[in-house]
Amino acid sequence: QVTLKESGPVLVKPTETLTLTCTVSGFSLSKTGMGVSWVRQPPGKALEWLAHIFSNDEKSYSTSLKSSLTISKDTSKSQVVLTMTNMDPVDTATYYCARITETVLDDYYYYGMDVWGQGTTVTVSS
Amino acid sequence: DIQMTQSPSSLSASVGDRVTITCRASQGIRDYLAWYQQKPGKVPKLLIYAASTLESGVPSRFSGSGSGTDFTLTISSLQPEDVATYYCQNYNSAPPTVFTFGPGTKVDIK
Repeated sequence: QVTLKESGPVLVKPTETLTLTCTVSGFSLSKTGMGVSWVRQPPGKALEWLAHIFSNDEKSYSTSLKSSLTISKDTSKSQVVLTMTNMDPVDTATYYCARITETVLDDYYYYGMDVWGQGTTVTVSS
Repeated sequence: DIQMTQSPSSLSASVGDRVTITCRASQGIRDYLAWYQQKPGKVPKLLIYAASTLESGVPSRFSGSGSGTDFTLTISSLQPEDVATYYCQNYNSAPPTVFTFGPGTKVDIK
């Protein structure tokens, strides 16, 4: 059974750095065609993709948040870590990690976030 | 970055109705599109990828179509358990792969 679980602080102060950990089980972070994304959702608002890391260590970031995000993985621990610097109250949200699965159809690559963690709620307040 | 829009932003329909949600990309994205369902208070769920390929276990009343800039998600016969917000999501084909969610369409029962 594939599971992902987010962990990290519930409350951070403005300007602080947030560190979130996604611990996965049931699949390997080194398996070709697999990756993990971070997605957040402010209260009552839409989903926003933040970053991803693939099995080949390819990393990508949201253009609008690129300067504040860093994603990394520790395959031996089955963990993906996201750090976000200079937190602001507008960053208050539920943060999800999700597995990305790559499917090849007719030599084209397609992606889907097929398994999600339960999410962790982060509040930014002094 | 490619921008995604969805219409309508919300809709109310009766059980058994055919429901169609539209997603539009600001530029051509081939069929690099996925659809997600998020029920109230729940985690998002992948419904469709590659614009029209149903994820395993998703009821066949859900279908997706489109290519280029215009895409649709159709629920052929709306059920009470389909009350949710539906998001489209684009990704670009060349690395680094960037994902973009649409603003969502909220579906409820009339």
